[in-house]
Amino acid sequence: SQQGEEDPQALSIQEGENATMNCSYKTSINNLQWYRQNSGRGLVHLILIRSNEREKHSGRLRVTLDTSKKSSSLLITASRAADTASYFCATDVFGNEKLTFGTGTRLTIIP
Amino acid sequence: NAGVMQNPRHLVRRRGQEARLRCSPMKGHSHVYWYRQLPEEGLKFMVYLQKENIIDESGMPKERFSAEFPKEGPSILRIQQVVRGDSAAYFCASSLFRGANEQFFGPGTRLTVL
Repeated sequence: SQQGEEDPQALSIQEGENATMNCSYKTSINNLQWYRQNSGRGLVHLILIRSNEREKHSGRLRVTLDTSKKSSSLLITASRAADTASYFCATDVFGNEKLTFGTGTRLTIIP
Repeated sequence: NAGVMQNPRHLVRRRGQEARLRCSPMKGHSHVYWYRQLPEEGLKFMVYLQKENIIDESGMPKERFSAEFPKEGPSILRIQQVVRGDSAAYFCASSLFRGANEQFFGPGTRLTVL
């Protein structure tokens, strides 16, 4: 079964609005990362948040982590058409380098 | 500074043939990971290699699949006697050192088995 599950599975919003995606996971983690994947392309690393961190910002991105609820959220503010992509969360556990990915949220920004 | 390189980008094979996928990590990176992505799904871990060593192959199918990362040259993911279910995108990632949690991904190889 998936370690990470994103919701919603798909999200469509108007350009300029904020987009929020959520990720839940099952086991204790070391780090949680968010990646973006444009259609038919590879993954682009967006942001990494460590298990002892609660919030992190990078440009228009804001990530929160709640280890008590085993969940994370990715907020993209002032969305642009170029943000249209699939977004995945990925977790790793201490002592194990492999990443476990969620099923992804497909975000569509309507111009 | 070149990123992770993968080739070929697209590979078509008939059932029963062999597929060889290559991955050159980022310069200076000696840790390579292979992931598989089925259509409309997330990536699934297959194998983690360091130069000349397989560290974790817990995600590799037991038969037909093998991986190597020689001292010189790219990492190779080899699939023997391909079947239609092997059709997927195969991504390679690299990291600078063990425990460096940020992995940099290549563009992927899309394998289609006819």
